[in-house]
Amino acid sequence: SAVISQKPSRDICQRGTSLTIQCQVDSQVTMMFWYRQQPGQSLTLIATANQGSEATYESGFVIDKFPISRPNLTFSTLTVSNMSPEDSSIYLCSVESFMTGGSGEQYFGPGTRLTVT
Amino acid sequence: GESVGLHLPTLSVQEGDNSIINCAYSNSASDYFIWYKQESGKGPQFIIDIRSNMDKRQGQRVTVLLNKTVKHLSLQIAATQPGDSAVYFCADGGTSYGKLTFGQGTILTVHP
Repeated sequence: SAVISQKPSRDICQRGTSLTIQCQVDSQVTMMFWYRQQPGQSLTLIATANQGSEATYESGFVIDKFPISRPNLTFSTLTVSNMSPEDSSIYLCSVESFMTGGSGEQYFGPGTRLTVT
Repeated sequence: GESVGLHLPTLSVQEGDNSIINCAYSNSASDYFIWYKQESGKGPQFIIDIRSNMDKRQGQRVTVLLNKTVKHLSLQIAATQPGDSAVYFCADGGTSYGKLTFGQGTILTVHP
């Protein structure tokens, strides 16, 4: 499986500011995704990070609030903009790779724990 | 099945017992499902997956059962160990690779 790292691992931010989260994979992957996990809850897909084109957002998530970049096949960023306390969550990136001839299994990074005060 | 809301279902077992965690899904067209384990402070860890052309798949100490008739998925853990204590999520992979829809999760606690 791919090794995925995220930076920062956690942060405490003031409302109204923005935070950019980085996701780095140790091998080229076909697809990268960003999820949000609110406290004590399950994971919700924010968007699919497309290499070389605009991200594909799920219902309820917009580019102005969560701009995403994916400049190459191993790296992506998610920005949480104009933060409010409701944005306090764990943000996770995941990747899907067919490099090993696998079936499209998705693997997750360790997450970024964001607290907005 | 998994509940919807802020309170996750819980399962408490003794070390050495077998555990069964259940999950219901809603999309009858879905053909790919995954079970994840999430320990405190970590990202979800892939456990096992299954495709809709199978009704059972076995891994190391784990078995996933798929009942498409009632849209139900279960994860069986044999000889449960304290290290198995975590939140377990099922995920519905739909009909194409990519988007995963997660269930609400079940908290498994294994007592020594």
